[in-house]
This record gives sequence, structure tokens and C-alpha cells, in this order.
Amino acid sequence: QLLESGGGLVQPGGSLRLSCAASGFTFSNYAMTWLRQAPGKGLEWVSAISAGGGESFYAGSVKGRFTISRDNSKNTLYVQMNSLRPEDTAVYYCAKNCGDGPGNYCPDHWGQGTLVTVSS
Amino acid sequence: DIVMTQSPGALSVSPGERVTLSCRASRRVSSDLAWYQQRPGRAPRLLIYGASTRATGVPARFSGSGSGTEFTLTISSLQSEDFAVYYCHQYYDWPLTFGQGTKVE
Repeated sequence: QLLESGGGLVQPGGSLRLSCAASGFTFSNYAMTWLRQAPGKGLEWVSAISAGGGESFYAGSVKGRFTISRDNSKNTLYVQMNSLRPEDTAVYYCAKNCGDGPGNYCPDHWGQGTLVTVSS
Repeated sequence: DIVMTQSPGALSVSPGERVTLSCRASRRVSSDLAWYQQRPGRAPRLLIYGASTRATGVPARFSGSGSGTEFTLTISSLQSEDFAVYYCHQYYDWPLTFGQGTKVE
């Protein structure tokens, strides 16, 4: 199970940290991913982190503004979102990946999502 | 970035019909291609990974094929619960990317 939290309304230029509490699997064995979906739009991959946390990857639209991290002792995934823009408004999903390493960054289980709204 | 293009954008079908959805990558992604189903108001669900491997619990009427740049998702006999939006997703190269989706209605 994956349970996101931390969404809400934030002003442009503001910051927000999302969390994703994982249970039911060995969290430290799997890469994890954040994805998002703007209202009425398609899916967008945002960021991913390796199982051990040593490697992270970002979409161009968030690079330099978002930071993904994980705490394997707490089975929790995070994303720190800074300099938020109206176009960051979306439902944010965390997802467990198929495994770890190249060829395994396919999200296979998704949380229910948390809504982030960036507006003044 | 690898651009994923799905076709058609939408299609109207009846229960029991065979449905074929296409996904094309702007450059090769080997077999690192997944398909997702998203029903209204729900989180996406993984159907296919590795281009052709069904995820756990996915009915056998769903099948995937292809490699390189051309991929297909086939639903052999559409059921009422299959009316949804379907997305393809390449996880071969960074940044990972999705197709724009095909709505089956």
C-alpha cells in the first residue's frame, strides 16, 4: 500500500513537501517514482530514486526545483517541491517500481494521489 | 527526450469487440515499455510491462506486443469494465515519458 500526504493549496513561488508511506513490501528493495496528472490531462513522469537512494532522476520541467528522497528506515518516500508554478497543479502519485536498476523503473503499484494546487 | 505517440486518440467500441491500441516511440526503447489503464477518478493500473508481460492479476484478454519503436496493446473481447484511458510508458531512457493516452469509450 502507498499513501501520499502533504498536498494542498500553495501560492506561486511557494514550497511543499509530499510524503508517501509504503507498506506491504520490502521498501528498501525497490526504486520509487513520483508522477503527476494535471486536471483533465495525461500522465507525466516527475522523478525517480533508486532503492538505496544513491541515484535520482528528474523530468526537465522540475529539475532544479524538486528534490526526491527516501528514508528506508521509515519506509517513506518524499519530494520537496520549491519555486512552485501554476503549471505544477496536479494530482501527485507515488509508485513502487518493478525493481531496481536499469530496465526496472516501471511503476507497478500506485498510491491514490494527493492534489497540489498552485494558485494565488 | 523520447516522444511516445499513441493512436488513435479515442475510439468508440462495443462490448465483445476486439480492440487494438498503438504506441510509437520516437527512437528505440528495446522492450522497456509498459501499458496502464486508468478509469475515471482512479489511479492508473499496470497492465503490461516488458512490452508483453501481463502484470499480476491482469486478465488474459489483455496482451501486448512489439519491440524497438512500435508497440500494440490488444484487448481480445472488450468488457464493460475496460472502458477507460490507456497509456503507454517507456522506461528505457531518462527522462521517462508517457504517451498522451487513448480513450476507449
